[in-house]
Amino acid sequence: GAGVSQSPSNKVTEKGKDVELRCDPISGHTALYWYRQSLGQGLEFLIYFQGNSAPDKSGLPSDRFSAERTGGSVSTLTIQRTQQEDSAVYLCASSIGRGSYEQYFGPGTRLTVT
Amino acid sequence: DQQVKQNSPSLSVQEGRISILNCDYTNSMFDYFLWYKKYPAEGPTFLISISSIKDKNEDGRFTVFLNKSAKHLSLHIVPSQPGDSAVYFCAARGTSYDKVIFGPGTSLSVIP
Repeated sequence: GAGVSQSPSNKVTEKGKDVELRCDPISGHTALYWYRQSLGQGLEFLIYFQGNSAPDKSGLPSDRFSAERTGGSVSTLTIQRTQQEDSAVYLCASSIGRGSYEQYFGPGTRLTVT
Repeated sequence: DQQVKQNSPSLSVQEGRISILNCDYTNSMFDYFLWYKKYPAEGPTFLISISSIKDKNEDGRFTVFLNKSAKHLSLHIVPSQPGDSAVYFCAARGTSYDKVIFGPGTSLSVIP
């Protein structure tokens, strides 16, 4: 079956612009996660969805970052007024849900802010 | 404050030898541990996991050992193969939460 997909695969944007990153989880997976990986760094947790609600937004770096999930499926991560330090690979993962620990990752979106 | 630590950023091993990747954690509430493998330009893929009620889990060439008293786990790959060259992330999960916390990763190079 289809895995987690993310779009775009690459995004170059100018400082100050807004960007939207999309994640399509595996069908039927109720849990969805966003992470980012900056150059030379590990995986930084951003936000977690269970269904359409986000019980944990603690990882969002600033109020310029927001995310939503609709229909218990697709999720969009929005970064407003991008800064150069936002440049990273943004990874989305999904899992079956509560009690399931194994996450399936998408290929990521590489964001470059110039 | 890093709750999951991988103190070796990189490791080089000869093909056929054993690779040992280490991971330490600080939160005694973690009850499930996972290892993920990541190739460049791809998302991480699940490799092997272990529950805190066990001290060893084996899957083919991969074995994970857990020492709860030391808050330490390790991933053993034997024999190592060039295709094992990747970044390996250790991850941990607590009992009341679905958030998985990842370590910074160790880059493994298996030399032919």
